[in-house]
Amino acid sequence: DAGVIQSPRHEVTEMGQEVTLRCKPISGHNSLFWYRQTMMRGLELLIYFNNNVPIDDSGMPEDRFSAKMPNASFSTLKIQPSEPRDSAVYFCASSLEGTSGTYNEQFFGPGTRLTVL
Amino acid sequence: AQRVTQPEKLLSVFKGAPVELKCNYSYSGSPELFWYVQYSRQRLQLLLRHISRESIKGFTADLNKGETSFHLKKPFAQEEDSAMYYCALSGGNQGGKLIFGQGTELSVKP
Repeated sequence: DAGVIQSPRHEVTEMGQEVTLRCKPISGHNSLFWYRQTMMRGLELLIYFNNNVPIDDSGMPEDRFSAKMPNASFSTLKIQPSEPRDSAVYFCASSLEGTSGTYNEQFFGPGTRLTVL
Repeated sequence: AQRVTQPEKLLSVFKGAPVELKCNYSYSGSPELFWYVQYSRQRLQLLLRHISRESIKGFTADLNKGETSFHLKKPFAQEEDSAMYYCALSGGNQGGKLIFGQGTELSVKP
């Protein structure tokens, strides 16, 4: 298994452009998480899905950010329009939710380094 | 409010010296605590979790509910331990959601 797959690995765009980040979770996992990493704020959870349904999007910074999970093997994080302050590394992670409220290890993708000029 | 605090951004030690990476948390219920590690050019990965009560790569961490701490310790640091370490918290009713600390960069010098 290749683990969690993210694309692109690097993205450079200009302010105002739309950016779409993609994630393929580990097959069989039923929870998917999007994180943003910056020097100032560290790792922040943006949104997470369970069985393809968004559960908590309280970390999404503003309406310019949106995330979808149309099926169990694919998720996107979109920024429209992008701004320089969105520059960060965006991580996707997946896990398998167990029974009785237990949660297993989150497996992280390699991240997408986004630079907005 | 739920929060994880790692007071040190950078910790530099010499090979063979003891290491302690500090982590304090704020949570009203019974949290589950984790340490994740990111080696250079590698993915963020789980190092250990408090419920396992195990030692991984010589590292241990004990949950101290009285002091709300979960410090990561290793008696003798190795150069290959150099990495970014993140402490994380999960609440029992939050669907596996993790709250991360700011991270501590550990540098082990020869």
